[in-house]
Amino acid sequence: DAGITQSPRHKVTETGTPVTLRCHQTENHRYMYWYRQDPGHGLRLIHYSYGVKDTDKGEVSDGYSVSRSKTEDFLLTLESATSSQTSVYFCAISDSVDRVVAFFGQGTRLTVV
Amino acid sequence: GIQVEQSPPDLILQEGANSTLRCNFSDSVNNLQWFHQNPWGQLINLFYIPSGTKQNGRLSATTVATERYSLLYISSSQTTDSGVYFCAVEGSGTYKYIFGTGTRLKVLA
Repeated sequence: DAGITQSPRHKVTETGTPVTLRCHQTENHRYMYWYRQDPGHGLRLIHYSYGVKDTDKGEVSDGYSVSRSKTEDFLLTLESATSSQTSVYFCAISDSVDRVVAFFGQGTRLTVV
Repeated sequence: GIQVEQSPPDLILQEGANSTLRCNFSDSVNNLQWFHQNPWGQLINLFYIPSGTKQNGRLSATTVATERYSLLYISSSQTTDSGVYFCAVEGSGTYKYIFGTGTRLKVLA
Protein backbone atom coordinates (compact mmCIF):
# COMPACT_ATOMS: atom_id res chain seq x y z
CA ASP A 1 0.00 0.00 0.00
CA ALA A 2 1.04 3.54 -0.73
CA GLY A 3 2.43 5.43 2.24
CA ILE A 4 -0.38 7.92 2.64
CA THR A 5 -3.18 7.73 5.17
CA GLN A 6 -6.04 10.03 6.03
CA SER A 7 -7.81 10.27 9.34
CA PRO A 8 -10.55 10.08 10.22
CA ARG A 9 -12.14 8.13 7.36
CA HIS A 10 -15.64 9.21 8.30
CA LYS A 11 -16.90 12.05 10.45
CA VAL A 12 -20.23 13.62 11.29
CA THR A 13 -20.10 17.02 12.90
CA GLU A 14 -22.44 19.86 13.76
CA THR A 15 -22.65 23.20 12.01
CA GLY A 16 -20.36 25.77 13.59
CA THR A 17 -17.85 23.36 15.10
CA PRO A 18 -14.19 23.26 14.06
CA VAL A 19 -12.96 20.11 12.35
CA THR A 20 -9.42 18.98 11.54
CA LEU A 21 -8.56 16.33 8.98
CA ARG A 22 -5.13 14.78 8.90
CA CYS A 23 -3.03 13.51 6.03
CA HIS A 24 0.07 11.53 6.90
CA GLN A 25 2.68 10.31 4.39
CA THR A 26 5.74 8.12 4.72
CA GLU A 27 7.09 8.78 1.19
CA ASN A 28 9.00 11.96 2.08
CA HIS A 29 7.33 13.77 -0.82
CA ARG A 30 7.63 17.52 -0.89
CA TYR A 31 4.21 18.46 -2.28
CA MET A 32 0.92 17.74 -0.56
CA TYR A 33 -2.61 18.67 -1.63
CA TRP A 34 -6.11 18.73 -0.22
CA TYR A 35 -9.05 18.27 -2.60
CA ARG A 36 -12.76 18.00 -2.12
CA GLN A 37 -14.97 15.90 -4.36
CA ASP A 38 -18.60 16.76 -4.95
CA PRO A 39 -21.08 15.44 -7.53
CA GLY A 40 -20.87 17.41 -10.75
CA HIS A 41 -17.63 19.16 -9.77
CA GLY A 42 -14.97 16.51 -9.92
CA LEU A 43 -12.05 17.22 -7.59
CA ARG A 44 -11.40 20.81 -6.58
CA LEU A 45 -8.18 21.97 -4.98
CA ILE A 46 -8.58 23.53 -1.53
CA HIS A 47 -4.98 24.17 -0.44
CA TYR A 48 -1.59 22.77 -1.24
CA SER A 49 1.86 22.73 0.30
CA TYR A 50 5.22 22.91 -1.43
CA GLY A 51 7.30 22.39 1.68
CA VAL A 52 7.29 22.60 5.46
CA LYS A 53 5.41 25.74 6.46
CA ASP A 54 4.94 26.64 2.76
CA THR A 55 1.31 26.58 1.73
CA ASP A 56 -0.93 28.30 -0.77
CA LYS A 57 -4.57 28.53 -1.70
CA GLY A 58 -6.35 26.50 -4.31
CA GLU A 59 -9.66 27.02 -6.11
CA VAL A 60 -11.99 26.71 -3.12
CA SER A 61 -10.05 27.81 -0.04
CA ASP A 62 -12.68 29.96 1.72
CA GLY A 63 -13.56 28.52 5.12
CA TYR A 64 -10.50 26.27 5.21
CA SER A 65 -7.02 26.61 6.64
CA VAL A 66 -4.02 24.29 6.52
CA SER A 67 -0.81 23.70 8.36
CA ARG A 68 2.32 21.74 7.65
CA SER A 69 4.79 21.71 10.50
CA LYS A 70 6.69 18.65 9.29
CA THR A 71 7.16 16.91 5.96
CA GLU A 72 4.91 13.96 6.72
CA ASP A 73 1.78 15.73 8.00
CA PHE A 74 -0.63 18.10 6.28
CA LEU A 75 -3.64 19.20 8.31
CA LEU A 76 -6.85 20.66 6.92
CA THR A 77 -9.03 22.65 9.32
CA LEU A 78 -12.59 23.75 8.79
CA GLU A 79 -12.72 26.71 11.10
CA SER A 80 -16.50 26.68 11.55
CA ALA A 81 -18.11 23.85 9.62
CA THR A 82 -21.08 24.57 7.36
CA SER A 83 -23.41 22.21 5.51
CA SER A 84 -21.83 23.29 2.21
CA GLN A 85 -18.61 21.66 3.41
CA THR A 86 -20.22 18.25 3.45
CA SER A 87 -18.03 16.40 0.98
CA VAL A 88 -15.42 13.74 0.43
CA TYR A 89 -11.93 15.08 1.09
CA PHE A 90 -8.84 13.62 -0.55
CA CYS A 91 -5.21 14.21 0.24
CA ALA A 92 -2.56 13.67 -2.44
CA ILE A 93 1.22 13.77 -2.57
CA SER A 94 3.80 14.35 -5.29
CA ASP A 95 7.55 14.30 -5.46
CA SER A 96 9.92 17.16 -6.14
CA VAL A 97 11.36 16.27 -9.50
CA ASP A 98 8.39 16.63 -11.82
CA ARG A 99 5.50 16.97 -9.38
CA VAL A 100 3.75 13.84 -10.57
CA VAL A 101 0.83 13.25 -8.23
CA ALA A 102 1.90 9.82 -7.11
CA PHE A 103 -0.69 8.79 -4.59
CA PHE A 104 -4.05 9.70 -3.20
CA GLY A 105 -5.30 8.90 0.26
CA GLN A 106 -8.42 6.82 0.74
CA GLY A 107 -10.59 9.87 1.35
CA THR A 108 -12.50 11.24 4.33
CA ARG A 109 -16.27 11.46 4.14
CA LEU A 110 -17.37 14.49 6.16
CA THR A 111 -20.99 15.23 6.92
CA VAL A 112 -21.97 18.53 8.51
CA VAL A 113 -25.45 18.46 10.07
CA GLY B 1 -7.29 30.10 -14.06
CA ILE B 2 -6.84 27.18 -16.39
CA GLN B 3 -10.00 25.37 -17.48
CA VAL B 4 -10.14 21.62 -18.03
CA GLU B 5 -12.99 20.02 -19.97
CA GLN B 6 -13.55 16.32 -20.41
CA SER B 7 -15.78 14.51 -22.84
CA PRO B 8 -17.97 12.60 -22.97
CA PRO B 9 -19.34 13.04 -19.43
CA ASP B 10 -20.84 9.54 -19.47
CA LEU B 11 -20.09 6.45 -21.50
CA ILE B 12 -21.62 2.97 -21.51
CA LEU B 13 -19.83 0.16 -23.34
CA GLN B 14 -20.20 -3.53 -23.86
CA GLU B 15 -17.30 -5.59 -22.67
CA GLY B 16 -14.69 -5.87 -25.41
CA ALA B 17 -15.44 -2.49 -27.00
CA ASN B 18 -12.90 0.29 -27.48
CA SER B 19 -13.27 3.90 -26.38
CA THR B 20 -11.59 7.28 -26.51
CA LEU B 21 -11.83 9.86 -23.75
CA ARG B 22 -10.85 13.45 -24.39
CA CYS B 23 -9.40 16.20 -22.21
CA ASN B 24 -9.17 19.80 -23.43
CA PHE B 25 -7.35 22.49 -21.50
CA SER B 26 -7.38 26.22 -21.93
CA ASP B 27 -3.74 27.20 -21.43
CA SER B 28 -0.23 25.83 -21.60
CA VAL B 29 0.61 23.23 -18.98
CA ASN B 30 3.70 21.85 -17.29
CA ASN B 31 2.21 18.49 -16.44
CA LEU B 32 -0.81 16.37 -17.28
CA GLN B 33 -2.02 13.19 -15.68
CA TRP B 34 -4.87 10.72 -16.12
CA PHE B 35 -6.46 9.05 -13.11
CA HIS B 36 -9.03 6.32 -12.60
CA GLN B 37 -11.42 6.37 -9.67
CA ASN B 38 -12.83 2.91 -9.07
CA PRO B 39 -16.38 2.30 -7.82
CA TRP B 40 -15.03 2.18 -4.25
CA GLY B 41 -13.65 5.70 -4.52
CA GLN B 42 -9.94 4.93 -4.76
CA LEU B 43 -7.99 7.19 -7.13
CA ILE B 44 -5.19 5.58 -9.13
CA ASN B 45 -2.59 7.31 -11.27
CA LEU B 46 -2.76 5.93 -14.84
CA PHE B 47 -0.43 8.12 -16.85
CA TYR B 48 1.85 11.06 -16.43
CA ILE B 49 1.88 12.48 -19.95
CA PRO B 50 2.66 16.18 -20.49
CA SER B 51 3.35 15.39 -24.15
CA GLY B 52 3.70 12.44 -26.51
CA THR B 53 2.23 8.96 -26.30
CA LYS B 54 2.43 6.23 -23.68
CA GLN B 55 0.97 2.77 -23.44
CA ASN B 56 0.29 0.51 -20.49
CA GLY B 57 -1.41 -2.73 -21.43
CA ARG B 58 -4.86 -2.04 -22.87
CA LEU B 59 -4.61 1.65 -22.03
CA SER B 60 -2.75 4.30 -23.92
CA ALA B 61 -2.65 8.08 -23.82
CA THR B 62 -1.60 10.84 -26.15
CA THR B 63 -1.10 14.51 -25.35
CA VAL B 64 -0.71 17.19 -28.02
CA ALA B 65 0.37 20.09 -25.85
CA THR B 66 0.52 22.60 -28.70
CA GLU B 67 -3.16 21.95 -29.44
CA ARG B 68 -4.10 21.70 -25.75
CA TYR B 69 -5.70 18.31 -25.61
CA SER B 70 -5.06 14.80 -24.40
CA LEU B 71 -6.74 11.50 -25.29
CA LEU B 72 -7.06 8.32 -23.26
CA TYR B 73 -7.69 5.14 -25.23
CA ILE B 74 -9.17 2.04 -23.67
CA SER B 75 -9.11 -1.07 -25.82
CA SER B 76 -10.97 -4.35 -25.25
CA SER B 77 -12.73 -2.87 -22.25
CA GLN B 78 -13.46 -5.01 -19.19
CA THR B 79 -15.98 -4.58 -16.40
CA THR B 80 -13.10 -3.66 -14.09
CA ASP B 81 -12.49 -0.57 -16.22
CA SER B 82 -15.72 0.92 -14.88
CA GLY B 83 -15.43 4.06 -12.81
CA VAL B 84 -14.59 7.69 -13.41
CA TYR B 85 -11.61 8.86 -15.43
CA PHE B 86 -10.10 12.22 -14.58
CA CYS B 87 -7.67 14.38 -16.42
CA ALA B 88 -5.61 16.79 -14.28
CA VAL B 89 -3.27 19.53 -15.45
CA GLU B 90 -0.66 21.66 -13.78
CA GLY B 91 -0.60 25.11 -15.33
CA SER B 92 2.67 26.73 -16.32
CA GLY B 93 4.22 28.59 -13.41
CA THR B 94 2.03 26.92 -10.78
CA TYR B 95 2.32 23.93 -8.47
CA LYS B 96 -1.40 23.27 -8.66
CA TYR B 97 -3.10 20.37 -10.36
CA ILE B 98 -6.57 21.26 -11.63
CA PHE B 99 -8.97 18.43 -12.40
CA GLY B 100 -11.61 18.08 -15.06
CA THR B 101 -15.08 16.92 -14.06
CA GLY B 102 -14.40 13.42 -15.32
CA THR B 103 -15.84 10.82 -17.67
CA ARG B 104 -18.00 8.20 -15.98
CA LEU B 105 -17.52 4.85 -17.72
CA LYS B 106 -19.68 1.80 -17.25
CA VAL B 107 -18.69 -1.44 -18.93
CA LEU B 108 -21.43 -4.04 -19.21
CA ALA B 109 -20.72 -7.77 -19.17
